[in-house]
Amino acid sequence: AQTVTQSQPEMSVQEAETVTLSCTYDTSESDYYLFWYKQPPSRQMILVIRQEAYKQQNATENRFSVNFQKAAKSFSLKISDSQLGDAAMYFCAYRSGLYNQGGKLIFGQGTELSVKP
Amino acid sequence: DGGITQSPKYLFRKEGQNVTLSCEQNLNHDAMYWYRQDPGQGLRLIYYSQIVNDFQKGDIAEGYSVSREKKESFPLTVTSAQKNPTAFYLCASTLPGNEQFFGPGTRLTVL
Repeated sequence: AQTVTQSQPEMSVQEAETVTLSCTYDTSESDYYLFWYKQPPSRQMILVIRQEAYKQQNATENRFSVNFQKAAKSFSLKISDSQLGDAAMYFCAYRSGLYNQGGKLIFGQGTELSVKP
Repeated sequence: DGGITQSPKYLFRKEGQNVTLSCEQNLNHDAMYWYRQDPGQGLRLIYYSQIVNDFQKGDIAEGYSVSREKKESFPLTVTSAQKNPTAFYLCASTLPGNEQFFGPGTRLTVL
């Protein structure tokens, strides 16, 4: 069975600085996808970034980028130029590429990010 | 606007009572999902459905039931068999190969 682990329950960053959130996963599959979701105090889940396992290039979305280390099964999220609006719970998630797995997401425990002005 | 709606936003249940949480989407997505979120934990999958009239149990299906009679709707019933139902419930939907989109959630509290 696949698992996702986020070992940092809480992180803090100064406004305009850079912070990296860690995520490791375990799988025997070769076809899969990885995601970072953001959950602000409103509790609405918002997709931040996605990474296809077959792609070697790390995904980027504006100030958000990932460091995808497939052999190490590591998928960290880097937030540059942190803003007050980045304060939220961040979840790392795994999805199998196999159709018979139903497209379901397996989530880590989450990292609560606070941003100091 | 396309999206996922969940109702009600807050729900209170008495002991021994069944309650149904609504999830509707107008995104024409094939697959729909129900997740449960507890404090300090990630989301855990309750049930999912990839097509109409078919659904599969997730990791924590005991005490819950679902139906998928229409593509747009995937209601979740929390039965009296669920011993600790107080939690935040999130519904999601997706097209195959794409990321999941989430509804705003329902907060269920047992009185």
